[in-house]
Parts: sequence; structure tokens; C-alpha cells
Amino acid sequence: DTAVSQTPKYLVTQMGNDKSIKCEQNLGHDTMYWYKQDSKKFLKIMFSYNNKELIINETVPNRFSPKSPDKAHLNLHINSLELGDSAVYFCASSQSAGGADTQYFGPGTRLTVL
Amino acid sequence: RKEVEQDPGPFNVPEGATVAFNCTYSNSASQSFFWYRQDCRKEPKLLMSVYSSGNEDGRFTAQLNRASQYISLLIRDSKLSDSATYLCVVNRNNQGGKLIFGQGTELSVKP
Repeated sequence: DTAVSQTPKYLVTQMGNDKSIKCEQNLGHDTMYWYKQDSKKFLKIMFSYNNKELIINETVPNRFSPKSPDKAHLNLHINSLELGDSAVYFCASSQSAGGADTQYFGPGTRLTVL
Repeated sequence: RKEVEQDPGPFNVPEGATVAFNCTYSNSASQSFFWYRQDCRKEPKLLMSVYSSGNEDGRFTAQLNRASQYISLLIRDSKLSDSATYLCVVNRNNQGGKLIFGQGTELSVKP
């Protein structure tokens, strides 16, 4: 069974479109995250939710809106996609929001904006 | 200056070699330290946490020097399967699970 899963795995779309990426974890964790890995391979945190509550919100354009319907799911909706949004988006989860907890990453969603 | 800095490499080494990666972090409030491994086009996976006393897991040894704000990873007897990017990661525990990643060091182990 996949611990952290994301859909879709690949997403190719035109500038200006709106798209969503879904994430689910079956580890029973309380905390979930979205990270962005750009073309230079830097991984940067975007958002974190703990028990469905937003706890980390980095400087991300408000075109990005996370939603956590329950603690096993964290979705990411992106409005008005731009070329610079092209990246790999990773979802992750951890037992708690404690800094020492291992984070488990999903396989990533490779977004290409044309 | 980036908060976590690593030599991006690539490090090209023969099988059986010992290779060392270094990493520095700029925020003295950092509390937790990790090495993650990322294979090409895959997700990052925890390799090992790094403790102040240093710790070892098989062929891998991690060291932390808080005074110098320096973290290292030593890989002994390199295997072909060790080829990957090694990510130095720190966390300021007062910011929840916010991991700060270095750029990664690419390792290629050749036969």
C-alpha cells in the first residue's frame, strides 16, 4: 500500500488555466505538507496543515490555495497558472508537527505550464 | 546567502570508495538535522537523522558540529546503488515541521 499518494503524477496545461493536485496519506499522521521543487532542484515548503488547520503558510502567491477536508487529505488548487509554476510538487506527511518527526513524501506531481 | 548550503557536486567516485559530504547552516536556532536521499525523478526519503553525538547506520556516518553549524555525511565502501542526490535538511523546531533543504549533493558511483 502506498503511504503517501498524489494524483495526477503528470500535469501539462496552458497558462491561465486552473488545476488541482490531490494528496492522500494512509499513515494515520496528523500533519501534511506541500513542497515545490523547482528546476534548480531546490525543495521549498509551501504549506502545512495539522489536523486540518493551516500552520505554515510561506510566501506563496494567493493563486495557490490548499484545502484539507480531513487529516488524511491535503489538496492544492492553483488558479491562473503561470509559466513559473512549472515544477515538481511534493506532498508529505508526518506524525505530528514536531520538528524532529520524519516526513514521508509522495511520488510528486510534475506540473508543466505551456 | 542560503540557509542551508551544500556543494552541489557532482561527486564521481569508484565503487568501494569513501566519500564525504559537508553542509553548513546559517540559523543557530536550528534544532533538528537530517540527511535525505533523492533518486533521479523520485521523492526524497529520509536517510538518517543527525544527532549531536554523531551517529552511524551501517556504512553511513553522520556528524553534527553545532558550534561551527556544520553537518557531514560519510559513506564508506560506496555501492552503485548509493548513486543519488543527498539533501542536507534542518528544522527549527519552533516552526513546526518546516524543513529547510539544501540544494543537494549529487553522487555518482561508477563500477
